[in-house]
This record gives sequence, C-alpha cells and structure tokens, in this order.
Amino acid sequence: NAGVTQTPKFQVLKTGQSMTLQCAQDMNHEYMSWYRQDPGMGLRLIHYSVGAGITDQGEVPNGYNVSRSTTEDFPLRLLSAAPSQTSVYFCASSQGGTQYFGPGTRLTVT
Amino acid sequence: GQQLNQSPQSMFIQEGEDVSMNCTSSSIFNTWLWYKQEPGEGPVLLIALYKAGELTSNGRLTAQFGITRKDSFLNISASIPSDVGIYFCAGLFAGGTSYGKLTFGQGTILTVHP
Repeated sequence: NAGVTQTPKFQVLKTGQSMTLQCAQDMNHEYMSWYRQDPGMGLRLIHYSVGAGITDQGEVPNGYNVSRSTTEDFPLRLLSAAPSQTSVYFCASSQGGTQYFGPGTRLTVT
Repeated sequence: GQQLNQSPQSMFIQEGEDVSMNCTSSSIFNTWLWYKQEPGEGPVLLIALYKAGELTSNGRLTAQFGITRKDSFLNISASIPSDVGIYFCAGLFAGGTSYGKLTFGQGTILTVHP
C-alpha cells in the first residue's frame, strides 16, 4: 500500500494562476480531507469529503474548490492563486476516526 | 467551531528527561489523536484514544483521554534525540454537521539536547 500520496511536492505560482493539487489514497477510505499548515497555526481544514460525490467546506474554504468523482482521488483546485495561499497543504484519508496524512505539497505564491 | 489549546508551545529538554504536553477544549470530543510531524513530512499518528478515561501506551509514549472529554495529555518518557519534532493533538467531534472533522491544536515543538 502506498497510503496517501500527494503531487507535486513543491510548486511556485504567480498571483492569479490556477493549479490543482493531487491527492490519492489506496486504502479504500471513504473520508478524505485537505488541510493547510501555516506557522504557529497548526492544521486548518479547507474542504472534506465523506464519500464519492459528496464534499463540504471546512474552516478555511475560500479560494479553493474540490471534487470527489472516485473514492481514491480528491484534488484541490486553486482558481486564482494569492500570496495568502502560500502554505503547506496536506491531504488525509480515514475510515472511522483516525486520519492518515500524505507527505504534503509546499506551495509558494509570488 | 471547536477550539483546541495545546501547551506548551515549545520545549527544550535534555536527553533522558520525561516530557508532558496537553490539550484542552471548550467542546466535548469523541476521539483524541496525537500526531508527530518531522520536517518536510506529514503528521504521523502516534496514539488514538476513543473512550473517556482511556489510558494508552505506545512504547515510551503514554496518552490519556480526559474523563470530561475536553482534554488529553501525552507523556514521553526517557526522551531521545529522535523524539525531536512537532507534536499535535487533534480532536474528532462526531456529530451533527461537524461529523468527521478533526480540530488540531497549535502544536508543541520539542527539541532534545544530547
């Protein structure tokens, strides 16, 4: 099992550009989520999904879109990148209460 | 929404010392999780707690789910240099519109001097 995988590992964008952060899991977990991590603020939930076709907003959803067409994949889209979106992004999946995290994507918006 | 207060924010200790950190909340959680994060990596689950009063060990790590369901602590005994990292508590509130959402503490940065 690869667990939770994320691509890319690093990305630099210019303000206004769009991009998609990829997340995949091979554990057949129903629940997947996206977090951003900023210094001194822990992890904050952006969007989550309780199953294919079902998504909902987390604590900080503005500027991000998600979709869940399959159980395995949960991409995060930045529609028009802003410097405030410079952060490290983590995807997680779970079955039951315990969440397992991917290695993260470090995004810089200039 | 639910808030978690984690303390201390950072700790500098000598190898061999014991470490204790805790999380408190104004809300009741059904699950408490403790994660460790090393530089450039995602958080890795250390211990999961599912019942109030539960005390669980994982090697040198011991964690407890507070009986009020609003707090948890993590202890590390006889610290070693590889314990260095950021430790996060996380609470899972399973109910209503918050189903399945993890709330994280701010993290405790642990430094261990050899």
